[in-house]
Amino acid sequence: EDKVVQSPLSLVVHEGDTVTLNCSYEVTNFRSLLWYKQEKKAPTFLFMLTSSGIEKKSGRLSSILDKKELFSILNITATQTGDSAIYLCAVEAEGGGADGLTFGKGTHLIIQP
Amino acid sequence: EPEVTQTPSHQVTQMGQEVILRCVPISNHLYFYWYRQILGQKVEFLVSFYNNEISEKSEIFDDQFSVERPDGSNFTLKIRSTKLEDSAMYFCASKRVLVPSPLHFGNGTRLTVT
Repeated sequence: EDKVVQSPLSLVVHEGDTVTLNCSYEVTNFRSLLWYKQEKKAPTFLFMLTSSGIEKKSGRLSSILDKKELFSILNITATQTGDSAIYLCAVEAEGGGADGLTFGKGTHLIIQP
Repeated sequence: EPEVTQTPSHQVTQMGQEVILRCVPISNHLYFYWYRQILGQKVEFLVSFYNNEISEKSEIFDDQFSVERPDGSNFTLKIRSTKLEDSAMYFCASKRVLVPSPLHFGNGTRLTVT
């Protein structure tokens, strides 16, 4: 069975701190790894990673994938209270059809002012 | 920016009743999905749909569930006879092409079965 494990499950930091969120996976026929931010409702897309070692960056957020060690990290620098959310890691695997994503439990990040 | 829209945002129903959750995917997207998230738990894949048929379904998607694309824009999830354990947030999602392409989620329908 495919597995996606995120750590830590929750994290409380102060504004301005840098955080690193972890995601490890075990899937057959890996295709891509995705990071989403979930505030009150819909998961909103952050990054899609398919190749090892290539950092994806968007403002203060960045992410990288290691396909040999089967993990990814999401970094957030100079955190702000608006970064408080649940960060979801999901993995897509190849199969016969339009395969669904396997999600981790998420990291609940709280940024204190 | 185009988005996936879902209605209603909250539905309360009695056990045994049928519900239909509605979604309008992003207009040029070809692949459609339903996921659910029970309170405090993971987001779980239910079903994927492409070219007017189910591509893949999870073991959660049993005979009480069905999906339909009744016209060119709507994508629905029907639960025939709801159970208490069907209470969850149901997310519709779509993507433009199969790979590489991220899923875009709607805001969800919170289903409460009493």
